Amino acid sequence: EVQLVESGGGLVQPGGSLRLSCTASESTFGYYAMTWVRRAPGEGLQPVSGISASAGHTYYADSVKGRFTISRDNSNNTLYLQMNSLRAEDTAVYYCAMSHCGGCYSELHHWGQGILVTVSS
Amino acid sequence: QSVLTQPPSVSAAPGQKVTISCSGSLGNIGNNLVSWYQHLPGTAPKLFIYENDKRPSGIPDRFSGSKSGTSATLGITGLQTGDEADYYCGTWDSDRQAEVFGGGTKLTVL
Repeated sequence: EVQLVESGGGLVQPGGSLRLSCTASESTFGYYAMTWVRRAPGEGLQPVSGISASAGHTYYADSVKGRFTISRDNSNNTLYLQMNSLRAEDTAVYYCAMSHCGGCYSELHHWGQGILVTVSS
Repeated sequence: QSVLTQPPSVSAAPGQKVTISCSGSLGNIGNNLVSWYQHLPGTAPKLFIYENDKRPSGIPDRFSGSKSGTSATLGITGLQTGDEADYYCGTWDSDRQAEVFGGGTKLTVL
């Protein structure tokens, strides 16, 4: 089964930037859409952004539009989330997840263990 | 405020049955497939139901999913203490052009 490992989290000041990475253990990574999902303290799971297998389609939650950018490098089995203009409300554990089709974002079959992002001064 | 509406909590005794509802609209549940996830904070979320009523390998048949119109339901029979977790429904929203989840339902097995 494919393993997903997130990295790049940590503590950042409000207004700062951070780039998360998610590396997959298998080259099948390039065939499937990927999604970033977060869970803030006391809140539920929230899909943040998704990208199709070819990177030809992306989507963003309204709360991060214009601040976050999702991208992927299929040659290195890696997914990215560039987070700019970070706010306290972006504090959460961020998970990367893999679909089982190239252009659909539902059916997140595989998940990483998550990485903590804390936005605080 | 989540796009999909779930009850905040449900509870039942061990061995009993429980259902968790997920209400949406024509733009999401009404025209798209629904998934259900289990999540225990501090662990990776897990897919329990996809395409409305299919179970991934390894998910026991005590778990079932259904959809009717703009609502979906997760059913769990023979409740076990190990089923205690937060459960989320999710689907594509064609109007928002984004994946959306419900607010989550905390299951307590008394």
